Amino acid sequence: EPEVTQTPSHQVTQMGQEVILRCVPISNHLYFYWYRQILGQKVEFLVSFYNNEISEKSEIFDDQFSVERPDGSNFTLKIRSTKLEDSAMYFCASRRRGGTSGNNEQFFGPGTRLTVL
Amino acid sequence: AQSVTQLGSHVSVSEGALVLLRCNYSSSVPPYLFWYVQYPNQGLQLLLKYTSAATLVKGINGFEAEFKKSETSFHLTKPSAHMSDAAEYFCAVSDYGSGNTGKLIFGQGTTLQVKP
Repeated sequence: EPEVTQTPSHQVTQMGQEVILRCVPISNHLYFYWYRQILGQKVEFLVSFYNNEISEKSEIFDDQFSVERPDGSNFTLKIRSTKLEDSAMYFCASRRRGGTSGNNEQFFGPGTRLTVL
Repeated sequence: AQSVTQLGSHVSVSEGALVLLRCNYSSSVPPYLFWYVQYPNQGLQLLLKYTSAATLVKGINGFEAEFKKSETSFHLTKPSAHMSDAAEYFCAVSDYGSGNTGKLIFGQGTTLQVKP
């Protein structure tokens, strides 16, 4: 069964360093998302991506964040200069198509735990 | 704006007892509603979804949920809890109409504890 994969599973970095979190969505999916979950809190939407551009972003997704789909398979989240408060679990998700189709489930990856020291 | 409220951050039941996890939503458009489960150190797995078809939705692992528009609720139930149901449960709302991105707005989550 196809699944969303994420690497690395754990990332430890120093404050101010750049990190890139990687995701491989399900191959025939068209919509891609990043969410984060700070320890003990709810899952929060960061950004959605469709047709090679950001379709929506939250207030959390400031200029320090960027996303890219550099090839036909990977979907990356970059944090340019990490802060302590960026420590969280980051989830990638993908969805096959939009509209009101019943095929609108988002499939989540296992997450990357980012720790900023 | 859409929002989700899950009543009760922790729910504890005995094995074999009824599970009831509460979710209320707010949405200005017809919502699509989801329940996800998160086991320790794992990602989110879809339990079930409501997408404007039948109001009583059956999902995996014996869970079901009923969409009640008049109460703006989408509570999750299971007749008989199993030890393996112990996990974090998230209710989420989205709108997939034209022009919307389909992002999910999650509730705070409910931790389900199942006692032997």
